[in-house]
Amino acid sequence: DGGITQSPKYLFRKEGQNVTLSCEQNLNHDAMYWYRQDPGQGLRLIYYSQIVNDFQKGDIAEGYSVSREKKESFPLTVTSAQKNPTAFYLCASSTNRGLHNEQFFGPGTRLTVL
Amino acid sequence: GENVEQHPSTLSVQEGDSAVIKCTYSDSASNYFPWYKQELGKRPQLIIDIRSNVGEKKDQRIAVTLNKTAKHFSLHITETQPEDSAVYFCAARGNKLSFGAGTTVTVRA
Repeated sequence: DGGITQSPKYLFRKEGQNVTLSCEQNLNHDAMYWYRQDPGQGLRLIYYSQIVNDFQKGDIAEGYSVSREKKESFPLTVTSAQKNPTAFYLCASSTNRGLHNEQFFGPGTRLTVL
Repeated sequence: GENVEQHPSTLSVQEGDSAVIKCTYSDSASNYFPWYKQELGKRPQLIIDIRSNVGEKKDQRIAVTLNKTAKHFSLHITETQPEDSAVYFCAARGNKLSFGAGTTVTVRA
C-alpha cells in the first residue's frame, strides 16, 4: 500500500477554521487528484493537477484550494467557505504517459467539523 | 461533462453465485473504463479496466463487458466468495475520470 500517503488519518476542525490535508507520492507520477467521498455519492473530483505549478478545478471545487509546488506533493486546504466539509477525502495520482492511466489512491483522511 | 450512473446500489448474493453490476455513461468520447474495489476502511484499488477498442476482458473470476453503441459497461464476478464483499465503483474517462455512486456487494456464506 506504499507509494502515496495522506495525513492525518483523522482530523477534527471547528467551524470557521481552515485546515490543510497532506498528500505525498513517491511514484514519480505527474498527475495528482483530490476526491471527496460521501455515502451513496461515490467519488467526486475536487481539484486535479496534471503537472507541477498547474491545477484545475474539478466538479466540486468551491470552498477548497490546492497548490502543486512540488511533483511529490499536492496539499488540499478546506476553507471556512466550504459549507459541508465533513467527509472522507481521498488523494490519488497517476502517470500521464501512455494509455494506462490507473489512479493509485492514498489511504484517505476523514475530516469531521465539530 | 461525463455522467456515470451505476446500478444497483446494493447487491446481496449467496456465496458461489454470480454478481453483476451495470454502469452507463453519457460522453461518447470516453475511452477508458476502470473498476475499483473498496473494502471497508481501505482505499479504492483497481481490479480491472477496459478500453473502448475492446468489447470484453476477463481476469480469473472477474470480467468486464463494454457496449460503446449503448454506452454501457458491466462488471461480472463469478463464483463469489466472502472476500468479494466490498463497495465497487465504475468509472469512465473522457477529459477526466468520473465515478459512479458505487455498489455495496455482500456475499452471504
